[in-house]
Amino acid sequence: SQKIEQNSEALNIQEGKTATLTCNYTNYSPAYLQWYRQDPGRGPVFLLLIRENEKEKRKERLKVTFDTTLKQSLFHITASQPADSATYLCALVLNAGNMLTFGGGTRLMVKP
Amino acid sequence: DAGVIQSPRHEVTEMGQEVTLRCKPISGHDYLFWYRQTMMRGLELLIYFNNNVPIDDSGMPEDRFSAKMPNASFSTLKIQPSEPRDSAVYFCASSLDPTGADTQYFGPGTRLTVL
Repeated sequence: SQKIEQNSEALNIQEGKTATLTCNYTNYSPAYLQWYRQDPGRGPVFLLLIRENEKEKRKERLKVTFDTTLKQSLFHITASQPADSATYLCALVLNAGNMLTFGGGTRLMVKP
Repeated sequence: DAGVIQSPRHEVTEMGQEVTLRCKPISGHDYLFWYRQTMMRGLELLIYFNNNVPIDDSGMPEDRFSAKMPNASFSTLKIQPSEPRDSAVYFCASSLDPTGADTQYFGPGTRLTVL
């Protein structure tokens, strides 16, 4: 069966450290992988998109890697801040159409 | 642009009642999506439209759920009759690009509680 797995346990880190979140998938061959941020009581907000032929993408303090052999994406936040505390969702986009399939999300807590 | 607009933000109803959720997508976006989010099942796609036409409704849980998009600026998700297990946050999202290479813009969601 197809699965997208994110660590369901919250990730607690100290301000200034690098946060690394993992997204693993099985039985998918995604064309794209997207990362979203969701704050309590709000809808997800798009952060980054990476294509299957890209290894790495950066945006300010954010970095995403995509390893289609390992079927894994890593999401890094460098110099983390308390304001980065949120739930982060990965989502796969298959070739057929525009449908996103979401992982369960990982909650990040950055302590001052 | 005001972004994706959803109403109501909160809805509390009793089992058996009809519930209608509303969505206004971002102007010019051709794709509209309805999602449901629960702690147990995460964020699930229910149905999506392209140019007001339903394309894939395979995520709609059962016949009690129906969705319409009468024009490019308005969509509804209806549950009739509602059940306690329908309690969840329902999101509407819209996007411009059909290839999946574009972001989806989510509304603030409607928190539905069925007693």
